[in-house]
Amino acid sequence: DTEVTQTPKHLVMGMTNKKSLKCEQHMGHRAMYWYKQKAKKPPELMFVYSYEKLSINESVPSRFSPECPNSSLLNLHLHALQPEDSALYLCASSPSMTPSRTSGRTDTQYFGPGTRLTVL
Amino acid sequence: KQEVTQIPAALSVPEGENLVLNCSFTDSAIYNLQWFRQDPGKGLTSLLLIQSSQREQTSGRLNASLDKSSGRSTLYIAASQPGDSATYLCAVFKAAGNKLTFGGGTRVLVKP
Repeated sequence: DTEVTQTPKHLVMGMTNKKSLKCEQHMGHRAMYWYKQKAKKPPELMFVYSYEKLSINESVPSRFSPECPNSSLLNLHLHALQPEDSALYLCASSPSMTPSRTSGRTDTQYFGPGTRLTVL
Repeated sequence: KQEVTQIPAALSVPEGENLVLNCSFTDSAIYNLQWFRQDPGKGLTSLLLIQSSQREQTSGRLNASLDKSSGRSTLYIAASQPGDSATYLCAVFKAAGNKLTFGGGTRVLVKP
């Protein structure tokens, strides 16, 4: 199973709502990522979790709150978002976020299909 | 700061023609370079990953080269098909920061 799943596929929310995006993988990967992608732009990294601990936060506003309940799940909690936060939110996973100490090789990231978020 | 550039931003070719997509990056201290495909509104699909110690990777009709010294990678797609129409993104995994930096992508249209 080389699949990363994301729910929901689409989400419309008001600026006062609280919602959550979910991501799941069963490949035994220990690194999981959240990206934000605006239309016709490349993905931008938001957060990286390694072994269920937050490793990288790319100065993301606090209205986005990540959570990694276990090694297979990654959530992104949303609160008081702005219309400019409307975007495709992509989750990804990889075996590790760092190169192998023995081989020096690095791994590809497997991406989910994304959640299309619209903030009204 | 690592910058990744893809030229051209868009490309239209007739079916059967070979595709050549270019990617350049400013910082040669990378672990790997990856090429992804993205269909409209969808996630990214990994096509090829080239480790920093490698010079090329091949998969079927796809071939990607890496020249770290000049900061360039090229993705070749042989005998293009309408199903190859998509946006192609290159990304470098840099040594500092342990994260992927993406180029802006090349939107490809293969006309039947």
